[in-house]
Amino acid sequence: DTGVSQNPRHKITKRGQNVTFRCDPISEHNRLYWYRQTLGQGPEFLTYFQNEAQLEKSRLLSDRFSAERPKGSFSTLEIQRTEQGDSAMYLCASSYGPGQGDVRTDTQYFGPGTRLTVL
Amino acid sequence: GNSVTQMEGPVTLSEEAFLTINCTYTATGYPSLFWYVQYPGEGLQLLLKATKADDKGSNKGFEATYRKETTSFHLEKGSVQVSDSAVYFCALHTVYNFNKFYFGSGTKLNVKP
Repeated sequence: DTGVSQNPRHKITKRGQNVTFRCDPISEHNRLYWYRQTLGQGPEFLTYFQNEAQLEKSRLLSDRFSAERPKGSFSTLEIQRTEQGDSAMYLCASSYGPGQGDVRTDTQYFGPGTRLTVL
Repeated sequence: GNSVTQMEGPVTLSEEAFLTINCTYTATGYPSLFWYVQYPGEGLQLLLKATKADDKGSNKGFEATYRKETTSFHLEKGSVQVSDSAVYFCALHTVYNFNKFYFGSGTKLNVKP
């Protein structure tokens, strides 16, 4: 299977702990996205990478959140000093976009998500 | 701003019934419109898309037409199956906002045999 993969699939942690999630996109995709999905809601955009450059961050992403994509391939999302309100499904998606200024539609392919529970 | 509004669920239908899930949007510029489906325990899968006004997206018996005049992209299927039970998300995409997607809150579909 060459789809988007995410690890771990589930994470339970205590309030105040740090957690890190990993996303491996489809290999030829240069764009990578992180979303957060809470129960009964649609995914909300968190951040976007074009290759290794982080080009956009949502205001939802507080200073406790950091994302990296060091070699333009896999990405990590770290949450420091977790809070109960961070409990959610964290989704990663990837796509191929020929260029930053390209205006053609970008179809994103989603991974299965990492479900975070903060106790 | 950009946003998507979907009809609230759950929607419960008998097998072979006709399905409509309403979706309306507001957007800056000329968005592309999508339907994604999420089966239990799985990630979102692209169901269909339409990139300009009057386009019809279709896949697996599902259809949706991009209606600019009513800013709508309603999902339809003529005869649902039990295997269609899932959560359906309407989404819009615009290149003017770093290619991010804006999702509706999702509509859960339950199909009974």
